[in-house]
Amino acid sequence: SQQGEEDPQALSIQEGENATMNCSYKTSINNLQWYRQNSGRGLVHLILIRSNEREKHSGRLRVTLDTSKKSSSLLITASRAADTASYFCATDLNLIQGAQKLVFGQGTRLTINP
Amino acid sequence: DAGVTQSPTHLIKTRGQQVTLRCSPISGHKSVSWYQQVLGQGPQFIFQYYEKEERGRGNFPDRFSARQFPNYSSELNVNALLLGDSALYLCASSVGPITGELFFGEGSRLTVL
Repeated sequence: SQQGEEDPQALSIQEGENATMNCSYKTSINNLQWYRQNSGRGLVHLILIRSNEREKHSGRLRVTLDTSKKSSSLLITASRAADTASYFCATDLNLIQGAQKLVFGQGTRLTINP
Repeated sequence: DAGVTQSPTHLIKTRGQQVTLRCSPISGHKSVSWYQQVLGQGPQFIFQYYEKEERGRGNFPDRFSARQFPNYSSELNVNALLLGDSALYLCASSVGPITGELFFGEGSRLTVL
């Protein structure tokens, strides 16, 4: 079963615009992470936000976390063609003592049009 | 520095066969995790190994097994392949078992005919 659900499933915008993706989850978490994947290749870690944090920035990325609503958002500002990829949120539920099991959503397919 | 390397990158098998996928973590990383990603879906957790011991197992049948070697590299074995095993198999490494950020390899694309 999916823990995280991304919204929208697909997003197409013009280069230079901002892109916002949302993620909802069902149970309490240790942290939430965002990953990017280009065309079925490996995933690249973007940012990690812990359950006691509300907002985090990294370059053109801004992530927010609302644990009361069990939701997170990823904002990419001033988008570029190279940002075209699938974006996944992943929750660390601390389900297994001493181990890390990330539960991924189905992803948002982002297309940046030149 | 080399990232996570996986081999083979692509392979085709027939139903009932067995497959072994290999992964070398980033130097200094002692934890290796395996994920299965079916086309159009997010990755699903299969195993995590740390210091050669299994630390976690996902909801996969016993046909799936793995091990970690003294040099921290890892193998994922799948027996009695089914069509539904066709997927991208991703290996990820991290410094420790619960350090947060995972570093993924490019994956092994398995097609079962």
